Amino acid sequence: DIQMTQSPSSLSASVGERVIITCRASQGISNYLAWYQQQPGKGPKLLIYDAATLQSGVPSRFSGSGSGTDFTLTISGLQPEDVATYFCQNYNTALALSFGGGTKVEIK
Amino acid sequence: QVQLVQSGAEVKKPGASVNISCKTSGYTFTSNYIQWVRQAPGQGLERMGLINPSGGYATYAQKFQGRVTMTRDMSTSTVYMELTGLTSEDTAVYYCARIGPPARTRGWFDPWGQGTLVVVSS
Repeated sequence: DIQMTQSPSSLSASVGERVIITCRASQGISNYLAWYQQQPGKGPKLLIYDAATLQSGVPSRFSGSGSGTDFTLTISGLQPEDVATYFCQNYNTALALSFGGGTKVEIK
Repeated sequence: QVQLVQSGAEVKKPGASVNISCKTSGYTFTSNYIQWVRQAPGQGLERMGLINPSGGYATYAQKFQGRVTMTRDMSTSTVYMELTGLTSEDTAVYYCARIGPPARTRGWFDPWGQGTLVVVSS
């Protein structure tokens, strides 16, 4: 399976600050990457797919970029409701999709 | 809106089986594959397999081959995941999720069910 290495594993930032989370694939996956937000006790919520396409209804402060092996999720102006764990997912291959380890975002 | 609603938490003894349901609504049941994923305490997400609700054909991750069975009931737009031979290592939250692009076996997951906690303990 393709390994997805996500960093950092946790971060603390102030309200309004820009937050960047990175995800690196062990081999090229084109743009077959999604980002999710998971709040405590809830199922994950899709934020970004195809590396950079914002899911309908997701605030525009979330953005994604990258292709090949290196990807980023950016929150431009952290809000209190953004406290959650974020993780990436590659879907390059149907039977070998994999997830990053997650990044826990907290408010400083 | 599109929704996936899972059955409630379960407590099982080692060696037992668990059957989790995932009731879908808000879209054409046969249009999208359903994936099952689990998350053990403090661990990452792990793919278990997927099912095509149209034909009922399922494909399982190698790790779970022989222990997992995924089925569907078209009359209620519900998919099921049965896991047998439970051990403490199977203690986890289990999720169903719809694969976003219609009729595709790979893609993003949207939406996810709320999760079902399975605790395996003697």
